Amino acid sequence: GQNIDQPTEMTATEGAIVQINCTYQTSGFNGLFWYQQHAGEAPTFLSYNVLDGLEEKGRFSSFLSRSKGYSYLLLKELQMKDSASYLCALLTGGGNKLTFGTGTQLKVEL
Amino acid sequence: EPEVTQTPSHQVTQMGQEVILRCVPISNHLYFYWYRQILGQKVEFLVSFYNNEISEKSEIFDDQFSVERPDGSNFTLKIRSTKLEDSAMYFCASTLVTVANYGYTFGSGTRLTVV
Repeated sequence: GQNIDQPTEMTATEGAIVQINCTYQTSGFNGLFWYQQHAGEAPTFLSYNVLDGLEEKGRFSSFLSRSKGYSYLLLKELQMKDSASYLCALLTGGGNKLTFGTGTQLKVEL
Repeated sequence: EPEVTQTPSHQVTQMGQEVILRCVPISNHLYFYWYRQILGQKVEFLVSFYNNEISEKSEIFDDQFSVERPDGSNFTLKIRSTKLEDSAMYFCASTLVTVANYGYTFGSGTRLTVV
């Protein structure tokens, strides 16, 4: 099976940088996703990492270390609209099933 | 941008009743999925569907659940006899081939409330 750990909540200030960590244990790793989910809405895709290293996409970056079972999502120049839950999800096995973590609720304050 | 469409957005049903949740995946996508999210909990995989058959299902997807692609555009999830614990947000998703690189395109969800 898979085990995914994320902090439950984080608070950060508008304009700042925040790093949301995800640690995992799994077999048959085929990739790690980050999704953003606003309350009452569907998750939306942010990033995908399958190789070690940093993937940058605008204000959002995601890092993966497969040997450590560790990923983080970095959000720069925080905006109020970034207040949401951030979900770490694993792709494992030969299919297309994602296993989601419980998510990190980020609150951006003035 | 292409969308996955789900109807209804909210459904209230009595315990023991059958419900059908509907999804229209993106038109050229080949793989279809249902996930659910109980309020305050994580998103959970239910089932994946390809080439008119189930390719994978979770322990949640028991005999009370079924999926169907009745025509070339719709993808449905049926719950035969709803239970209180089936109350959740149900998300449909689709992919062209692999979920790698671009992830799923999720629909906006159907909130099912069983009373």
